[in-house]
Amino acid sequence: AQKVTQAQTEISVVEKEDVTLDCVYETRDTTYYLFWYKQPPSGELVFLIRRNSFDEQNEISGRYSWNFQKSTSSFNFTITASQVVDSAVYFCALSEARQAGTALIFGKGTTLSVSS
Amino acid sequence: DGGITQSPKYLFRKEGQNVTLSCEQNLNHDAMYWYRQDPGQGLRLIYYSQIVNDFQKGDIAEGYSVSREKKESFPLTVTSAQKNPTAFYLCASKEAGGFLHEQFFGPGTRLTVL
Repeated sequence: AQKVTQAQTEISVVEKEDVTLDCVYETRDTTYYLFWYKQPPSGELVFLIRRNSFDEQNEISGRYSWNFQKSTSSFNFTITASQVVDSAVYFCALSEARQAGTALIFGKGTTLSVSS
Repeated sequence: DGGITQSPKYLFRKEGQNVTLSCEQNLNHDAMYWYRQDPGQGLRLIYYSQIVNDFQKGDIAEGYSVSREKKESFPLTVTSAQKNPTAFYLCASKEAGGFLHEQFFGPGTRLTVL
């Protein structure tokens, strides 16, 4: 069963708009980590953030912010004042203590297109 | 600069041929992973290795093989038994110490079967 759901397959916005990428996860573990990665057209995944299950504080890094809510099993990512360079595929991922090899479980990704 | 290199960037294969994708890291990471990415499918785990001379199958290991003879190297062979090998392949590594560490990814190899 899929454990990370990114319901938005594609999102298109115009520069300077704010955009939120949704991520819903499922786990039986009480201890886990959530991640966001960015995949630009070049293909390499770039790590953006890691959040552990005991830290529900929202985080802000420049134009990026993340909202973690255990009550709804969500870890949403907001880009404020989007720019063309934000165009990429964004992946949410889960790492569980019980997952063999501690591999990441990825959502299917959201393709963000920002036009000028 | 520390990082992960994958080669080649593009690879073309005829049906029935085995091909090997290279993955090298100089981050001194113990764990290494191979993922396959198909359009709209996200990343799926093929094989992983947590230590030299040991590796385990992931979710879609059929038709693939790996080796881990050196800490820094984790090559992936796509065999002729893989029915639909055309995809983008990503190699990753991370520190030992469990599930809290993020994985670092290489630039990927795009394999096309002709």
